[in-house]
Amino acid sequence: DAGITQSPRHKVTETGTPVTLRCHQTENHRYMYWYRQDPGHGLRLIHYSYGVKDTDKGEVSDGYSVSRSKTEDFLLTLESATSSQTSVYFCAIGGDRSYEQYFGPGTRLTVT
Amino acid sequence: RKEVEQDPGPFNVPEGATVAFNCTYSNSASQSFFWYRQDCRKEPKLLMSVYSSGNEDGRFTAQLNRASQYISLLIRDSKLSDSATYLCVVDNYGQNFVFGPGTRLSVLP
Repeated sequence: DAGITQSPRHKVTETGTPVTLRCHQTENHRYMYWYRQDPGHGLRLIHYSYGVKDTDKGEVSDGYSVSRSKTEDFLLTLESATSSQTSVYFCAIGGDRSYEQYFGPGTRLTVT
Repeated sequence: RKEVEQDPGPFNVPEGATVAFNCTYSNSASQSFFWYRQDCRKEPKLLMSVYSSGNEDGRFTAQLNRASQYISLLIRDSKLSDSATYLCVVDNYGQNFVFGPGTRLSVLP
């Protein structure tokens, strides 16, 4: 396993509340990613980071922000959750030593 | 046209069968290619990278055809444990993974 954890693993929240998901790695990878996975879609990139304090937007970044204050942690924040953000969120690491990416166990988020 | 397309299946095959999946991609500049496996309600796990010369890992063989812009995955001697969704992944220019929707495989006893 790639030494990557996500918390919380499950969360139910109400529309309009802020939510923060955490990704933690012990592999010292420079690159970290946040994806969401929804039925009928492949995994889609939300944001990624290429170093501490260095982040960039992915395909579906609207409504999400990220922060990376240290190498091992990458946070995804939904400022005001909406029902369309109900999804499974995966964090991934990798891409700097080889092009492969390794995924965390996922967070199931339900926005009611 | 979607960037990465796969037949969603399901492919239902008996144990011991050989099964092949294809995946097509639209960006001719794509650089790297992968197959991931995803079990129900789990994270995707790297099955194998796909090299221009093709590569084999045990019962699994991956091929890349750049001219026709497709990659394939062949599974020989299918096991019950091979039942999963197989994701085709294309890396366009580094750090830009594009995932196909996946092909579901069920290996039947």
